[in-house]
Amino acid sequence: DVKVTQSSRYLVKRTGEKVFLECVQDMDHENMFWYRQDPGLGLRLIYFSYDVKMKEKGDIPEGYSVSREKKERFSLILESASTNQTSMYLCASSLSGGSHTQYFGPGTRLTVL
Amino acid sequence: AQSVTQPDIHITVSEGASLELRCNYSYGATPYLFWYVQSPGQGLQLLLKYFSGDTLVQGIKGFEAEFKRSQSSFNLRKPSVHWSDAAEYFCAVGARSGNEKLTFGTGTRLTIIP
Repeated sequence: DVKVTQSSRYLVKRTGEKVFLECVQDMDHENMFWYRQDPGLGLRLIYFSYDVKMKEKGDIPEGYSVSREKKERFSLILESASTNQTSMYLCASSLSGGSHTQYFGPGTRLTVL
Repeated sequence: AQSVTQPDIHITVSEGASLELRCNYSYGATPYLFWYVQSPGQGLQLLLKYFSGDTLVQGIKGFEAEFKRSQSSFNLRKPSVHWSDAAEYFCAVGARSGNEKLTFGTGTRLTIIP
């Protein structure tokens, strides 16, 4: 079974703090994704990565950056957290080659005060 | 670019009743289609997927979905729901060429009443 883990289930940060959300997958997947989920808006793609050190912007990259130094780990960084970044953050991974099937972590609920 | 519409924000059904959740997509060719389920406070779990072939797809937990090209739809069905089916359901579409992103619908929240 594919396992995708996220470093925290719940996180509370202050406005202006730098925030790191970590995601690790154990199935040697090439593709990794970061989404945010808000009520009524579904899942929106922030960034994705198709290989180590490779990344592409998703639909809502503003205010976020990412890092992928190792194949199994994909980090989402909020350089200066703001209250409008309070959300549920979901990480996913998939095998490259056309399957498109994404496997999700349990999510991190981030609150920025 | 592809898009997905889930027209029902919230559906309530009685336990034991049948269920159909609607999903319409927009894409220039036949896409890859998925249904995911999210229990409260959890990540998304894959229910089923359509890539090609038989347009009626069987998934886990007794769910099935039917791809109808003429209607650009991929509706999810279950003949008899259980209280444990209460969750949020997401339809997603992926392009057959280019990158391997998925586009998700806004979700349908399912409530089960006794």
